[in-house]
Amino acid sequence: DIQMTQSPSSLSASVGDRVTITCRATQGVSNYLAWYQQKPGRVPKLLINAASTLQSGVPSRFSGSGSGTDFTLTISSLQPEDVAIYFCQEYDIAPLTFGGGTKVEI
Amino acid sequence: QVRLQESGPGLVKPSQTLSLTCTVSGGSISSGSYHWSWIRQPAGKGPEWIGRVYSSGSTNYNPSLKTRVTISIDTSKNQFSLKLTSMTAADTAVYYCARRAAGFGFDIWGQGTMVTVSS
Repeated sequence: DIQMTQSPSSLSASVGDRVTITCRATQGVSNYLAWYQQKPGRVPKLLINAASTLQSGVPSRFSGSGSGTDFTLTISSLQPEDVAIYFCQEYDIAPLTFGGGTKVEI
Repeated sequence: QVRLQESGPGLVKPSQTLSLTCTVSGGSISSGSYHWSWIRQPAGKGPEWIGRVYSSGSTNYNPSLKTRVTISIDTSKNQFSLKLTSMTAADTAVYYCARRAAGFGFDIWGQGTMVTVSS
């Protein structure tokens, strides 16, 4: 199975800060990587497909990059509504696996 | 728009079988473009993919659960179902059903149902 490791596991930043979350796969997954946002008590929401393609309606301050084993989710200017846990997920090879999550606080 | 809704018991006794159903509304489960998954998330942890079913009935399961899982689809009812046998406390989690198209992440999720394993 492919293991997905996220870092950091949590972070605290100020409104307006640039925030970067990394996700590393134990083997290459090409660009078959998604990012999700999960607010407290809510369902995960798909933010990014194919490592860098923003889902419709997702603010442009979110961006993704990477390919192979190393990926990054960036929030260019952190907003209060971005407080959440962020998960990466590979969908190249079953079993589809998620990272452990990064908790973003302000 | 397409919506997913899980249904089933919130409390299961140890060693019993969990049965959950996901009802799809606003679209056909028979669309060949999608497959339908069950995902669970223990409190404070990342999601775990349980398995998926295609409209053809073909399935794939997480090897960690493969011996205990059955996922099936009923296109006449626009539903798919999960059965998980030999439940233990380690299976306590929020269980979600979700939709995914090839080449994409899970774009639509049910609201989730909390399942507790306890006597």
